[in-house]
Amino acid sequence: GQNIDQPTEMTATEGAIVQINCTYQTSGFNGLFWYQQHAGEAPTFLSYNVLDGLEEKGRFSSFLSRSKGYSYLLLKELQMKDSASYLCAVRDLAAAGNKLTFGGGTRVLVKP
Amino acid sequence: DGGITQSPKYLFRKEGQNVTLSCEQNLNHDAMYWYRQDPGQGLRLIYYSQIVNDFQKGDIAEGYSVSREKKESFPLTVTSAQKNPTAFYLCASSMTRLAGDGKQYFGPGTRLTVT
Repeated sequence: GQNIDQPTEMTATEGAIVQINCTYQTSGFNGLFWYQQHAGEAPTFLSYNVLDGLEEKGRFSSFLSRSKGYSYLLLKELQMKDSASYLCAVRDLAAAGNKLTFGGGTRVLVKP
Repeated sequence: DGGITQSPKYLFRKEGQNVTLSCEQNLNHDAMYWYRQDPGQGLRLIYYSQIVNDFQKGDIAEGYSVSREKKESFPLTVTSAQKNPTAFYLCASSMTRLAGDGKQYFGPGTRLTVT
C-alpha cells in the first residue's frame, strides 16, 4: 500500500511564500501530482513530477526527491485567490491503469 | 468545449433508497474514476475503469456499483448498503498512463445528502 502525509493546514500573508511538503512511501514510485481544490469545487491540476528536481510554472513550483520520498509545492507572491486546499497524489508502478493515491490535502489560508 | 459533466450538483435522498450519480466526458479518455471526499479530507477511490465494459474496485467499493457501457459514461450507484453515503462525489477521467503523464481531469462533483 501507500502512505502519503502532508500538513493539515497552513496560514500565510498575501505576497509571501508558502511551501507545502508531502512525504510518501510506495513500493514502486511512478509519478507525483499536485492539485488545487477550492472549497466545494473540483480539483484542478497544478504540476507533475516523475524525475528528481524542480518544475517551475509561473508562481508555482514543485520539487521531487525520489530517494527521500519527498515533494514540495512552492507558492510565491501569494494572492487571496490562492486560499484553497492543495492535494498531493502519487502513482505506483504496481497500480493497475492510472490509479492515484491522494494525501489528505493541505488547506492554505492567505491573509491580507 | 471538452470536459466532464456531473449531474446533479446537489442530491438529497432518504435512507434506504438507491441513487445513481451521472458522469459524462467528451475528452475521448479511456479511463474513468469515482472518488469520495468527506469534509476536510482527501479523495478516496471507489471504482475505476480503464476501458469500456471493464471496471475494478478501488479502496472503498463496498455499498457502491458502477457500469461502463459507453466510453463517455461511467455512472455510480450508491446503494442502501452504503452505511455513510453523505459525501462529495467526484468523477475523473484520464488518458492511459502510456499516453503522456496520465493526469486526471475532474468533473464539478455531486454533493449527496442522505437523511
